[in-house]
Amino acid sequence: DIQMTQSPSSLSASVGDRVTITCRASQSIRSYLNWYQQKPGKAPKLLIYAASSLQSGVPSRFSGSGSGTDFTLTISSLHPEDFATYYCQQSYTTPRTFGQGTKLEIK
Amino acid sequence: QVQLQESGPGLVKPSQTLSLTCTVSGGSISSGGYYWTWIRQHPGTGLEWIGSIYDSGTTYYNPSLKNRISISIDTSKNQFSLKLSSVIAADTAVYYCTRTAHQNDVDDFWGQGTLVTVSS
Repeated sequence: DIQMTQSPSSLSASVGDRVTITCRASQSIRSYLNWYQQKPGKAPKLLIYAASSLQSGVPSRFSGSGSGTDFTLTISSLHPEDFATYYCQQSYTTPRTFGQGTKLEIK
Repeated sequence: QVQLQESGPGLVKPSQTLSLTCTVSGGSISSGGYYWTWIRQHPGTGLEWIGSIYDSGTTYYNPSLKNRISISIDTSKNQFSLKLSSVIAADTAVYYCTRTAHQNDVDDFWGQGTLVTVSS
């Protein structure tokens, strides 16, 4: 299985901050990398697919980059509703695997 | 827009079979461009891909569960289902059904999730 490793596991930030979350794959996954946001008690929500494509309806302050094994999710200016847990997922091969999550908390 | 809804027992006894159904509304389960997936999340932890099914009936399963899982599809009812046999406490999780887009193999719509507890 392809291992997905996110860093950091948790992050404290303030409204208006720029935040970057990193995801590393154990082997090349080309650009088959997706990012999801999950709030407590809710299903994950797709933010970014194919490493850098913004899902329809997602604010433009979210962006993704990377290819091969190293990827980043950036939130350019944090809004109060952005405090949540973020997961990366590889869709290069089965079994699909997820990172362990990054919990973004209010400082 | 498409909506997915999981249904099934919230409590299953150890060694029994967990059975869940996902009902798709707002679109046909046979529409081109998509297939259908089950994902679970153990309490307080990360996400685990269980498996997927195409409207043709072709399935892909997580090898870690392969001997115990079966995913089926009923296009006439716009539903797909999950069966997980010989459950243990470690199968306690929130189970999600999703729509997966062929292009980029991304889960673009999710059900709200249903908690299944394995306990006697």
